Amino acid sequence: GAGVSQSPSNKVTEKGKDVELRCDPISGHTALYWYRQSLGQGLEFLIYFQGNSAPDKSGLPSDRFSAERTGGSVSTLTIQRTQQEDSAVYLCASSRNYQPQHFGDGTRLSIL
Amino acid sequence: DAKTTQPPSMDCAEGRAANLPCNHSTISGNEYVYWYRQIHSQGPQYIIHGLKNNETNEMASLIITEDRKSSTLILPHATLRDTAVYYCIVGLYNQGGKLIFGQGTELSVKP
Repeated sequence: GAGVSQSPSNKVTEKGKDVELRCDPISGHTALYWYRQSLGQGLEFLIYFQGNSAPDKSGLPSDRFSAERTGGSVSTLTIQRTQQEDSAVYLCASSRNYQPQHFGDGTRLSIL
Repeated sequence: DAKTTQPPSMDCAEGRAANLPCNHSTISGNEYVYWYRQIHSQGPQYIIHGLKNNETNEMASLIITEDRKSSTLILPHATLRDTAVYYCIVGLYNQGGKLIFGQGTELSVKP
């Protein structure tokens, strides 16, 4: 079946602009996660949604980052006033309750 | 911080078994061991997980020591397509979310 889909696959933008990254999870998966992978760095947790519960935002690096999940399905990660250090691959994952996470191939974000 | 320690890199000959070690000496009784891998330019891929018993699936085998302080991921017949970074992660089964990734082991399968 279809896996986790992320769009766009690549995004280049100028410093100071806002960007939106989209994630379509696997159908039926109640949990959705965002991670970030910077050049030479490991994967860093950003935020986690589980059903109708309040999201775990403990990994968001600053208040310029926000995410929402509409209708328990699609999620959007928004970065406002982008900085060069925001350049990274942003990965989305989804899972059923208590099951391993399945990842998309990410959005490669480049800030000029 | 990651709760696991892995060698930064390993080589394996094509067709041979690849044995990837992981130390998790501070693992607690209700934490599982998960293995993921990341092939270049792709998202991480789930491989296998276990609590205390050895596990096997179509991709790999997971051997966990009796004291649970270390484990080994075994790819029985490595192919060139198994070249990737392999991550060993410790977490609760119902951890409610975040995986804490370390630096992983970069496995190079050579012809």
